[in-house]
Amino acid sequence: QSALTQPASVSGSPGQSVTISCTGTSSNVGSYEHVSWYQQFPGKAPKLLIYEVNQRPSGVSNRFSGSKSANTASLTISGLQAEDEADYYCSSYAGGSTLVFGGGTKLTVL
Amino acid sequence: QVQLQESGPGLVKPSQTLSLTCTVSGDSITSGIFYWTWIRQPAGKGLEWVGRVFNTGNTDYNPSLKSRVTISLDTSKNQFSLKVTSATAADTAVYYCARLRGYFYYVDVWGQGTTVTVSS
Repeated sequence: QSALTQPASVSGSPGQSVTISCTGTSSNVGSYEHVSWYQQFPGKAPKLLIYEVNQRPSGVSNRFSGSKSANTASLTISGLQAEDEADYYCSSYAGGSTLVFGGGTKLTVL
Repeated sequence: QVQLQESGPGLVKPSQTLSLTCTVSGDSITSGIFYWTWIRQPAGKGLEWVGRVFNTGNTDYNPSLKSRVTISLDTSKNQFSLKVTSATAADTAVYYCARLRGYFYYVDVWGQGTTVTVSS
């Protein structure tokens, strides 16, 4: 079970939009809508941002949005703010009642 | 609100069994909607799903860890547990217990995490 592929780092200036990709295979991302995104600050537990590709839990800013095309899912953060600087992880259902995570992306707000 | 708290030894010797317990409050582990799951994160690295247990006791594990991992329930204490046998330095990580939404497979509640070091 290989991890989903994410860029190690992305950056953007305040007010801009950034997109983080999450590439899997036809065995996970490509076959299911069960893709989620998490935000993690240093020393803290991850927090759910997006589930089912593009659904936001209550309380999550609408600046965070998700999408998927074929084997690649994406998280877009619009109106970038300094407080968005964190690590971001994707996950996908991988069949056989298993779950797989991406390797994580460090977002730097310039 | 729902809270999860990990507990267990912070130091385990190589070849021994790593054991952790997660105490759940604000929800019942017998709920039929959620799975109860363990996720780990080596220092400076990404998240790795370890496995999950349902209220029936049914379990599923990460294929790469399946031969060494057991997750079980203690419904009387509203707890679930993780055991990893034949521990090595590669098992050193922050271990999170969490609640996993059934069918949709997203984690909506996380414990704070506990650091386990495998070293002699």
